[in-house]
Amino acid sequence: QVQLVQSGAEVQNPGSSVKVSCKASGGSFSSFGVTWVRQAPGQGLEWMGTVIPIFLSAKYAQKFQDRVTIATDESTNTAYMDLSSLRSEDTAVYYCARTNLNGLASFWGQGTLLTVSS
Amino acid sequence: EMVLTQSPGTLSLSPGQRATLSCRASQSISSNSLAWYQKRPGQAPRLLISGASSRATGIPDRFSGSGSGTDFTLTISRLEPEDFAVYYCQHYGSSAIFGQGTKLEIK
Repeated sequence: QVQLVQSGAEVQNPGSSVKVSCKASGGSFSSFGVTWVRQAPGQGLEWMGTVIPIFLSAKYAQKFQDRVTIATDESTNTAYMDLSSLRSEDTAVYYCARTNLNGLASFWGQGTLLTVSS
Repeated sequence: EMVLTQSPGTLSLSPGQRATLSCRASQSISSNSLAWYQKRPGQAPRLLISGASSRATGIPDRFSGSGSGTDFTLTISRLEPEDFAVYYCQHYGSSAIFGQGTKLEIK
């Protein structure tokens, strides 16, 4: 069964960028997509975007449209999420999920805590 | 833009009781592309139900999903102590959106 292992916790300054990784073991992202979801402290789950490479499809939530990029590297079975122009409101736990071709997020990573603070 | 509204916000029940959680969509959801997730503190979301009514692999049969169009329901037939968590519905497809969640707490 596939397992997704995310990179470790990050502390970043406001205005900077962060790149979070998500490595698949026991499986791969080929023939699948990847979704990123975040949960701010005390808040609900928030969909950020989904990329399905074999469909050449990349969809992002409107609020992140200008700041987020999601990509996969099939050679290393790793997905990435880049978030730029960080602000304190971006402090949250970020989750990756392997996503079926119909958009269903099935297998999830353990989460990465991002703290944005000066 | 699609909006999912979950009710109630908080549900207080005892182990052994039946839980009924609601998810209402602002527009009809085609192909029943509606999922339910369980979220415990400090853990990743866990897929329970997809396609409105199909249990995910390994999910106990006390969890069931129903509904179509704009109204969907997650039912937990007999609550176990580990079921007390927050539950989210999600519309998925080329894009996605979550409901705001229902907290299931021990009475």
